[in-house]
Amino acid sequence: EAGVVQSPRYKIIEKKQPVAFWCNPISGHNTLYWYLQNLGQGPELLIRYENEEAVDDSQLPKDRFSAERLKGVDSTLKIQPAELGDSAVYLCASSTTSGTQYFGPGTRLTVL
Amino acid sequence: GESVGLHLPTLSVQEGDNSIINCAYSNSASDYFIWYKQESGKGPQFIIDIRSNMDKRQGQRVTVLLNKTVKHLSLQIAATQPGDSAVYFCAERWYQKVTFGIGTKLQVIP
Repeated sequence: EAGVVQSPRYKIIEKKQPVAFWCNPISGHNTLYWYLQNLGQGPELLIRYENEEAVDDSQLPKDRFSAERLKGVDSTLKIQPAELGDSAVYLCASSTTSGTQYFGPGTRLTVL
Repeated sequence: GESVGLHLPTLSVQEGDNSIINCAYSNSASDYFIWYKQESGKGPQFIIDIRSNMDKRQGQRVTVLLNKTVKHLSLQIAATQPGDSAVYFCAERWYQKVTFGIGTKLQVIP
């Protein structure tokens, strides 16, 4: 069974440019999470979806970050415009309701 | 606020020895505690979890101990192997919200 798929794996952009990350969760997992991970730290939740509904986006900086999961499967996380401090690894995870979270490999973003 | 933290940022262990990674938590309402392993360039990988009403759970070469009295969690790895080298995160779950600690880097000395 395929795990959580994320793309791209690496992205380098200039500050003020937009960037988007894509995630395909494990088949059958209705819950999808986006996390931000800074070097040497644990992942921090940005947003959690139950099917297509964002049920927890309290930690998402809504002035520049947006996310969508239109059909309740794939999801996209966008940053516009990117700032230097956004350089980090963006992780996607999925789970069944109340189940264990399984993580993708992440997208390493570098903002110059 | 609630937080999860680790006592030791780096742990060096001789190959074949047992490893013990410790973690302190503060949210007594958490229902699950989880250990993840993260290798360089990869996402966190689930190792083992334990419900809050248990004090010990064993997996393959790993054991998690939960002491709710002192809000302490530990991961024991038996016969540590080079492939165990990674960063280990403890995490707590409360109403599907998982909060991660900082992480402990385990270095296995051949």
